[in-house]
Amino acid sequence: AQSVTQPDIHITVSEGASLELRCNYSYGATPYLFWYVQSPGQGLQLLLKYFSGDTLVQGIKGFEAEFKRSQSSFNLRKPSVHWSDAAEYFCAVEGAGGTSYGKLTFGQGTILTVHP
Amino acid sequence: EPEVTQTPSHQVTQMGQEVILRCVPISNHLYFYWYRQILGQKVEFLVSFYNNEISEKSEIFDDQFSVERPDGSNFTLKIRSTKLEDSAMYFCASSDQEVKLFFGSGTQLSVL
Repeated sequence: AQSVTQPDIHITVSEGASLELRCNYSYGATPYLFWYVQSPGQGLQLLLKYFSGDTLVQGIKGFEAEFKRSQSSFNLRKPSVHWSDAAEYFCAVEGAGGTSYGKLTFGQGTILTVHP
Repeated sequence: EPEVTQTPSHQVTQMGQEVILRCVPISNHLYFYWYRQILGQKVEFLVSFYNNEISEKSEIFDDQFSVERPDGSNFTLKIRSTKLEDSAMYFCASSDQEVKLFFGSGTQLSVL
């Protein structure tokens, strides 16, 4: 069965600092990978996704993520964090193809706090 | 940007009561989902729905749960007899064929 691990439950950074949120997955083949963000009182918003091709994917709000097959990782990065990036971030995986269309497995989530 | 709308945002019910959580997916989407997140735990898949029938369901989605698309715009999750452990945030989502799920802001269900 597929699984997702986000090792960091809570990360604090200063505004303007760089950010990297870690995500490791377990899946037998190449999965579809996603990062979602949830602000308080809001739904889960898709930041970016990886299906195939270029392993560095660009998303909204200046985020990017890199798929590393050898490390089973899909870490999320941003070069300069803004106070409005404070939220909870979820990594998710879907088994590519088959019948599990839209059936995402989520990580625990990482809460990001941004200090001024 | 189009939105998935969920009502109510917070529902309180007594154990054993039936609850219906409502969702209005994005209008041209074909795939519909329910997920839930128990406090302190991961967001977990409950059920997917396509072409007026369940495509896939998790082990959590037992006979107490049902989904329905009663008309062309709504998608509902019914829990027939709520238990304390059903207390969670329930998220509705919809997608087109691009596997890009749009999630609603959730309904916080509290079972007392």
